[in-house]
Amino acid sequence: GENVEQHPSTLSVQEGDSAVIKCTYSDSASNYFPWYKQELGKGPQLIIDIRSNVGEKKDQRIAVTLNKTAKHFSLHITETQPEDSAVYFCAASPTGAGSYQLTFGKGTKLSVIP
Amino acid sequence: DTAVSQTPKYLVTQMGNDKSIKCEQNLGHDTMYWYKQDSKKFLKIMFSYNNKELIINETVPNRFSPKSPDKAHLNLHINSLELGDSAVYFCASSQVRLAGGNEQFFGPGTRLTVL
Repeated sequence: GENVEQHPSTLSVQEGDSAVIKCTYSDSASNYFPWYKQELGKGPQLIIDIRSNVGEKKDQRIAVTLNKTAKHFSLHITETQPEDSAVYFCAASPTGAGSYQLTFGKGTKLSVIP
Repeated sequence: DTAVSQTPKYLVTQMGNDKSIKCEQNLGHDTMYWYKQDSKKFLKIMFSYNNKELIINETVPNRFSPKSPDKAHLNLHINSLELGDSAVYFCASSQVRLAGGNEQFFGPGTRLTVL
């Protein structure tokens, strides 16, 4: 089965700095890679995703990069703000018929210091 | 107009009791999931139903029994609750597409505390 490793487990940055979270996966059949943000007391919320036919995707201050050859993908947050403080999860999944299961990393607790 | 809703939000109960958590989605999705999140925040899939059919059944004690009366609802019943069942339980839903990804939408969670 798929195995997703996520690093670091905790990350502290100064407000305005950039934050990078990295994930690796094991199953070459995986080609869908979402990122979730979980704020305290809430459920995980999808913030960005990338599919294997794309190497990079941006949405305002958030970007995700994918290297299928090396089987790793990363989340980049620029100009961090205190409201970015949360736990972030990466995940991986195959696509197509029967592809139901997301495999999650263990999460990164991001703290943005004002 | 909440997309994925769960009840109750908090559940405190004694060991040995039986309890249920309800989940409803109004997104028109065909697949629903139950996850358990422990104190270390690790998200572990428990069950998944696609069109009311069980498709994922991870290694979970048989004290846990999911029930899907229709595509919009997936309930979780837990018998003989144990201390180790204390966790946050999340319901999620998705519409699996042949060409797309499995974008899962999560509910707000149910914090279960077993005393």
